[in-house]
Amino acid sequence: KQEVTQIPAALSVPEGENLVLNCSFTDSAIYNLQWFRQDPGKGLTSLLLIQSSQREQTSGRLNASLDKSSGRSTLYIAASQPGDSATYLCAAYGGSQGNLIFGKGTKLSVKP
Amino acid sequence: SQTIHQWPATLVQPVGSPLSLECTVEGTSNPNLYWYRQAAGRGLQLLFYSVGIGQISSEVPQNLSASRPQDRQFILSSKKLLLSDSGFYLCAWSMLFGYEQYFGPGTRLTVT
Repeated sequence: KQEVTQIPAALSVPEGENLVLNCSFTDSAIYNLQWFRQDPGKGLTSLLLIQSSQREQTSGRLNASLDKSSGRSTLYIAASQPGDSATYLCAAYGGSQGNLIFGKGTKLSVKP
Repeated sequence: SQTIHQWPATLVQPVGSPLSLECTVEGTSNPNLYWYRQAAGRGLQLLFYSVGIGQISSEVPQNLSASRPQDRQFILSSKKLLLSDSGFYLCAWSMLFGYEQYFGPGTRLTVT
């Protein structure tokens, strides 16, 4: 059974710092991996989708990597801004129906 | 472009009352549809998914049910709510399993 873990649960950094959020999964037989952002009381916004054949994806200041052999993905945020403050969720596609399995998220706070 | 709607945005219901949450998707046809629940301190949990009209699969046994009366409409229901049904309910869609999922704004349900 696929399990997804995100460490740390919370992170506070000063504005301008580069940071890395970690995600690990137990079953390397995943289809794809998706990173989301969730603002308080809001739905999820898709940030990046990494297909199983890819090793990384980039969008603006965000870069996500995928290492299936080690069961890890990272989300790199460059030059963090206060507007980046949110909870970031990692989700792996797995299981018999290819459903998304979510981690519990990392709550990021960027201080001005 | 595609848009996903959910209503109501918030709902307060007494224990034992019925429930009906609605989700609709615009701008696409024959999407896969999903209902998730996000409870405090827990990750997102997939409740139901649907690959077509009248086709519903349940991931977690509970007192909730789902229906898909039209191609782009997904409804979550209950005949009698429990306190444990409180949470943030999210609807999502994707074109295919294992492909990027897009989430709606969510419904905050409080059962009193």
